This record gives sequence, structure tokens and C-alpha cells, in this order.
Amino acid sequence: DAGVIQSPRHEVTEMGQEVTLRCKPISGHNSLFWYRQTMMRGLELLIYFNNNVPIDDSGMPEDRFSAKMPNASFSTLKIQPSEPRDSAVYFCASSLVRGLAGARHNEQFFGPGTRLTVL
Amino acid sequence: QKEVEQNSGPLSVPEGAIASLNCTYSDRVSQSFFWYRQYSGKSPELIMSIYSNGDKEDGRFTAQLNKASQYVSLLIRDSQPSDSATYLCAVNTEGGYSTLTFGKGTMLLVSP
Repeated sequence: DAGVIQSPRHEVTEMGQEVTLRCKPISGHNSLFWYRQTMMRGLELLIYFNNNVPIDDSGMPEDRFSAKMPNASFSTLKIQPSEPRDSAVYFCASSLVRGLAGARHNEQFFGPGTRLTVL
Repeated sequence: QKEVEQNSGPLSVPEGAIASLNCTYSDRVSQSFFWYRQYSGKSPELIMSIYSNGDKEDGRFTAQLNKASQYVSLLIRDSQPSDSATYLCAVNTEGGYSTLTFGKGTMLLVSP
């Protein structure tokens, strides 16, 4: 079975450029998460979608960050304009949350990540 | 603010020994607990989940949960050099929509 797919795997760009990261969740999963990982701050949740609807975007650092999920099999995270401090590994994860009672069994499965370097 | 605390390590153990990784959390209403393994340069991989007080065993791994003490641990028996990785503890608070709060991880080094 295919796991979570992310592209690109590596991205090097210059400050001020637009960056778009892509994610395809596991088929049948209804929740999708975007995380950022750095040595200093660890793994941070940026935004969470449930049934393609953004539920919690409180982790999105600034207006330069935006995320969309136009359908159940695709999501994007966009940074515009990018800055050197955005350099990190960005992970997408998905899970199947079976209603309120099942919300606590939130086993999330991670994609391989995108390593972003902003020069 | 929900917090999940782990000793950053590294925790060094010889091959064949038991490795004990610990995690504490601040939110008393937390209901689900997960351990992820992350090799250097790779993504987190789910290895254990536990929802009730007590022990849960899966192969060489045992997760232990004590909600009264707000404490969860992972034991790795017969540690192998291939177990060398960073282990992330994650906690999920019950709610209509749930998210995980991750600790910063403990690095485990298993020497041959």
C-alpha cells in the first residue's frame, strides 16, 4: 500500500521566492496534518484538515504561509515570500479519525518530508 | 499550553540490554499516547500506541502508561544497533478534533 507521498523531497530556493510543497495522503484517510521540524523547536503542527476542511491553523507562523486541500487526495503548503528562517523539514501526515468517539485513536502516518533550504 | 517532556539524551546502552525511554505530559485529560521512531534524515515512524493504564507489549517493545503520574515509557528489550534512533513521544488530547503534541525526542545509541 502506498504511504503518504510528498514532493519535492528537497527544495533549495532564494529568499523572496514562492515555495509550494505537495502532499498526497493515504487513500481513505480523512485527516491531514502539516508539520515543520527543526533542531531548535522539534516537530510543530502547522495546520490540520479534517474532511478537506481546515480545522486548526493556529500553528501557521505568519500570513506568508497558506495551505489548501482541494480534495481528499491532495494538499499544498505554500510559503510566499520565503525567508531563510523557513528552512526546515516539512512533513505531511494523515490519519483516519472515526468520528468523535474515535478521535482519540489518532494514529498518524508521516510522509518522507520535504527538506527546504532558503538562501 | 500542552507540554510533552523527554530527556534529549543521548541514552547509550550496550547491545542486548534493555533501553528505557521516558516521557511526561502536562495535560491531565490526555487520552492517547504514541511512540514514534525517527532515524536520522528520515520521517517519524509509528511503533507503539497505548490508550489504557498498564503495559502493552509488541515484540521487543513495551509501552507503559500511568495516567495518575502523567507518565508514559517505552522499553526496548534486547536492544540492537539498528534501534539507534530518536524516539518521539506524542500525546493526543480527547476532543472532537484531535491533534498530537510531540516531545522533542530522546536519542538512543546502541553500541555493538
